[in-house]
Amino acid sequence: EAGVVQSPRYKIIEKKQPVAFWCNPISGHNTLYWYRQNLGQGPELLIRYENEEAVDDSQLPKDRFSAERLKGVDSTLKIQPAELGDSAVYLCASSFFEGGPEQYFGPGTRLTVT
Amino acid sequence: SQQGEEDPQALSIQEGENATMNCSYKTSINNLQWYRQNSGRGLVHLILIRSNEREKHSGRLRVTLDTSKKSSSLLITASRAADTASYFCATGYSGYSTLTFGKGTMLLVSP
Repeated sequence: EAGVVQSPRYKIIEKKQPVAFWCNPISGHNTLYWYRQNLGQGPELLIRYENEEAVDDSQLPKDRFSAERLKGVDSTLKIQPAELGDSAVYLCASSFFEGGPEQYFGPGTRLTVT
Repeated sequence: SQQGEEDPQALSIQEGENATMNCSYKTSINNLQWYRQNSGRGLVHLILIRSNEREKHSGRLRVTLDTSKKSSSLLITASRAADTASYFCATGYSGYSTLTFGKGTMLLVSP
């Protein structure tokens, strides 16, 4: 079974530029999460989807961050414009509602904003 | 915001020794999970313990939960160099809610 797929793995951009991250969850997983992980810290939730509905986006900086999950499968997280403080690893995770609260993580996208 | 705090922040041991790391949290939980993160990779789920459980085992892993003290511990027995990683505890407030992660314990197991 394929795991959670994320792309790109690494991205370097200049501040004020836009950037997008893509995530393909494990097949059949109806819940999808985007986390941000700063250096030396644990992941912090940005947004959680149940199917195509965003059910928890309270920590998403909505002035510059946006996300979508069309058809309840793949998801895209966008930052526009990026700031220096956005440099972090962006992790996508998925879980199966009936399968329990364990989450399955992708390898992440390491973003560097210069 | 981080809910849990792991202790110690870093731990260095020799292969074959046991490693114990602790997690404290602030509010009532439904479940607590431990994850491992190898350098440059995503997190891998290790073990889950529910609020009505006190101890669980999985292979070389033993997790305890004390809800009265709002704390948990993860014991890795007979450590191997491959156990070198960061370990995070994560708390869930209901069966299917968002997880809140701690800052992690960095474990180094030397051959």
